[in-house]
Amino acid sequence: NAGVTQTPKFQVLKTGQSMTLQCAQDMNHNSMYWYRQDPGMGLRLIYYSASEGTTDKGEVPNGYNVSRLNKREFSLRLESAAPSQTSVYFCASSEAGLAGKGIFGPGTRLTVL
Amino acid sequence: AQKITQTQPGMFVQEKEAVTLDCTYDTSDPSYGLFWYKQPSSGEMIFLIYQGSYDQQNATEGRYSLNFQKARKSANLVISASQLGDSAMYFCAMRASGTYKYIFGTGTRLKVLA
Repeated sequence: NAGVTQTPKFQVLKTGQSMTLQCAQDMNHNSMYWYRQDPGMGLRLIYYSASEGTTDKGEVPNGYNVSRLNKREFSLRLESAAPSQTSVYFCASSEAGLAGKGIFGPGTRLTVL
Repeated sequence: AQKITQTQPGMFVQEKEAVTLDCTYDTSDPSYGLFWYKQPSSGEMIFLIYQGSYDQQNATEGRYSLNFQKARKSANLVISASQLGDSAMYFCAMRASGTYKYIFGTGTRLKVLA
């Protein structure tokens, strides 16, 4: 099983450029998430999708959009990248229920110049 | 509002000794789950251990155990017999019932000394 895959692994953008981060999981999980990790800040939730067809804002949604394309795929789009969006982005998926542990992808390191 | 607090930015421990990483949480929800993750220098997030709010016993997974004190709202991770490979960032997280979100603390960086 591949688990959670993310593409790309690294990306450098110029301010104002757009891009989409791709995420896919093969565990038949209902819930999927996008987090960003910044030094000293832990992981902060950007958007999540409790189930196919639904998406909700997390703690830091501004500047991002998401699409739950199907049960497997959950993409994150930066429409007009800003230096403040320089971060490591993690996608995760989980089963429903309190005990459903989140399984994380390898992360995307994004730099916005 | 839900919140996870990890007050130890960095910790050192001697190889083969035990170490406790602190985690306190805040929630008004009676049902919740608590998780610990390890992030080595390679960057991936690795699930370590889970504790449910209604679990009567503290969770254990190999050398990892969770010291769950519900009244104090604490969920400390205990690593026994530390190994050099335990050097990493450790995150505490919570998931409350009715939501699907994991809320993370800011992490503790553990360094195991030879």
